[in-house]
Amino acid sequence: DAGVIQSPRHEVTEMGQEVTLRCKPISGHNSLFWYRQTMMRGLELLIYFNNNVPIDDSGMPEDRFSAKMPNASFSTLKIQPSEPRDSAVYFCASSQTAPSGSGLDTQYFGPGTRLTVL
Amino acid sequence: AQKITQTQPGMFVQEKEAVTLDCTYDTSDPSYGLFWYKQPSSGEMIFLIYQGSYDQQNATEGRYSLNFQKARKSANLVISASQLGDSAMYFCAMTNFNKFYFGSGTKLNVKP
Repeated sequence: DAGVIQSPRHEVTEMGQEVTLRCKPISGHNSLFWYRQTMMRGLELLIYFNNNVPIDDSGMPEDRFSAKMPNASFSTLKIQPSEPRDSAVYFCASSQTAPSGSGLDTQYFGPGTRLTVL
Repeated sequence: AQKITQTQPGMFVQEKEAVTLDCTYDTSDPSYGLFWYKQPSSGEMIFLIYQGSYDQQNATEGRYSLNFQKARKSANLVISASQLGDSAMYFCAMTNFNKFYFGSGTKLNVKP
């Protein structure tokens, strides 16, 4: 089975440019998560979708960040304009959430996108 | 308030010995899930083991076991017979109410 797929794996861009990160969750999973990992702040949840609907975006740092999930098999995280402090590894994860929505389900992570903003 | 606490930033263990990585959590909800993930130097996050708050027995997966002490709110990971490939960062995580919390991680080094 294919795991969570993320692209690109590495992205180097200049400050002010738009960056789009992509994620394909595991087929059949109905929840999708975007995380950011830095040395200083560790692993932070940015946004969480369930059945393509954003459930919790309280972790999105500011308006420069936006995420969409147009269908069950694709999500994007966009940063516009990008800043050097956005440099991090961005992970996408997916899970199969039970109908009860207890949120106790195992999340499976993609390989991450290492973003460097110069 | 910190939900997941991993007090060991780094640990060493001799190959073939067992090691325990500590994790304590904070929640007042009776329903929650506890997880451990491994992150090797290559960067991927690998799911290791899961424990539900209502599970009566401690979870085990091969050489991994979760020492779940509910009253003490601890969920320590035990790795038996350490291997060189176990050298990595290990993260404890908790979910409840569709919220997800990760600890700061423990870096494990297995010595030959």
